[in-house]
Amino acid sequence: AQSVTQPDIHITVSEGASLELRCNYSYGATPYLFWYVQSPGQGLQLLLKYFSGDTLVQGIKGFEAEFKRSQSSFNLRKPSVHWSDAAEYFCAVVEDNNNDMRFGAGTRLTVKP
Amino acid sequence: DAGVTQSPTHLIKTRGQQVTLRCSPKSGHDTVSWYQQALGQGPQFIFQYYEEEERQRGNFPDRFSGHQFPNYSSELNVNALLLGDSALYLCASTKDRLNTEAFFGQGTRLTVV
Repeated sequence: AQSVTQPDIHITVSEGASLELRCNYSYGATPYLFWYVQSPGQGLQLLLKYFSGDTLVQGIKGFEAEFKRSQSSFNLRKPSVHWSDAAEYFCAVVEDNNNDMRFGAGTRLTVKP
Repeated sequence: DAGVTQSPTHLIKTRGQQVTLRCSPKSGHDTVSWYQQALGQGPQFIFQYYEEEERQRGNFPDRFSGHQFPNYSSELNVNALLLGDSALYLCASTKDRLNTEAFFGQGTRLTVV
């Protein structure tokens, strides 16, 4: 069955530290991959997306993600976290010719001063 | 550009009642998708509207219905409300059906009592 897994429910990092949020997917072909961020009570904001080509994609707010086909992963990274990055992060997947965007359960990021 | 706008922002309904949520897509977008986000979970795809027709549907009962108007705005209707329908309802718009870049509204928080 198609699925998106975010193994970490909650991550706490210190401000200035590096960050990696994990995402694994289970699909037959290469899907379109996305990372969204959601602040409390807000909608979702697109951080970055991968469709094809270079497997390392750059996004907004200094985020990047790397698509690894062999591991079916699309992990999100940031070299230095800011307090304003505290939020919920969602990985999402869409198959080609499919309109159903599947989301992971999300990872809540807490940033310590 | 106002982006995706949803109304109302909050709503409280009683079990068994019916509710209508509204969404105006981002300018230039013609496709609207609706998602349900229960507390602590990722969004789940309800359905997508394109050219005033439901093009794809997720695993939701017929109590959930929708409509798209000629100006691309959309409504989500839920009949016979259950306590379990309490959630944040998100609307997303794209300028194509493949969700290559979906913009989300702030959502409508529905509470069923």
